[in-house]
Amino acid sequence: DAGITQSPRYKITETGRQVTLMCHQTWSHSYMFWYRQDLGHGLRLIYYSAAADITDKGEVPDGYVVSRSKTENFPLTLESATRSQTSVYFCASSESSGGYNEQFFGPGTRLTVL
Amino acid sequence: RKEVEQDPGPFNVPEGATVAFNCTYSNSASQSFFWYRQDCRKEPKLLMSVYSSGNEDGRFTAQLNRASQYISLLIRDSKLSDSATYLCVVNRGNRDDKIIFGKGTRLHILP
Repeated sequence: DAGITQSPRYKITETGRQVTLMCHQTWSHSYMFWYRQDLGHGLRLIYYSAAADITDKGEVPDGYVVSRSKTENFPLTLESATRSQTSVYFCASSESSGGYNEQFFGPGTRLTVL
Repeated sequence: RKEVEQDPGPFNVPEGATVAFNCTYSNSASQSFFWYRQDCRKEPKLLMSVYSSGNEDGRFTAQLNRASQYISLLIRDSKLSDSATYLCVVNRGNRDDKIIFGKGTRLHILP
C-alpha cells in the first residue's frame, strides 16, 4: 500500500542499548523528517533529509544518527539509548521543501527506555 | 518570545457552537503557515494551509495577520468529531526547509 510506514510501532529497550527505528515511504518524496513528541514540548525536529545521501540536523539531534542511502528509507538510530529518549517518534515526508509543503506523517513509534 | 505559541486549552465547547483559536509566531520572515490536526495517540494530519487572503474549507476558516504576527482558526457548527488537538505550524522563512510546531490547542466538543 502507498504511504509512509514506521516500524516497530512499539519498542521497549534498556539504557545503553542501540535502537533503530525504521521509516519507509512509497511516494518517492524528496524530503523526509524525524520528530519526537513529548508532553510539554510538542513536536521537535531531530533530523531531516532533502534527498538521498543528504541529511541535516534539526532542533534536538544529540544522541541520534540518521542515514539515507535510498530515497524511500530514512532510519533513525539511537546509538546508546537514554531514559530521556523515551518518547513518541514520528517520521514524515514531503514532496518538496518541507517548509512550504504539506508533510505526511507516519503512525509513530512509541519508544520506552528503561 | 517562543517561536510559535498557542493556548494549550482545553477548550470545552458544546456541539454546534463556534470556536476560535489564535496562534502567534515570532519570526517576521515566516512565509508558510498551516493548521494540523492530531487525534489522541495518532499522527498529525494537515487540516489546512493559511493564505494571506484567508481561506475557508467548509466549516473551517483560517486567517493570517502579518502585522500582528498571528494566525487564527475558526470552526463553525462544531461536531463531536472535531475533538482533537490543533497544531499551529509555521516555517522559519528565508527558504528554510524546516517548520516549527506549536504545542497545540486541545478542543473537546461536548454533546
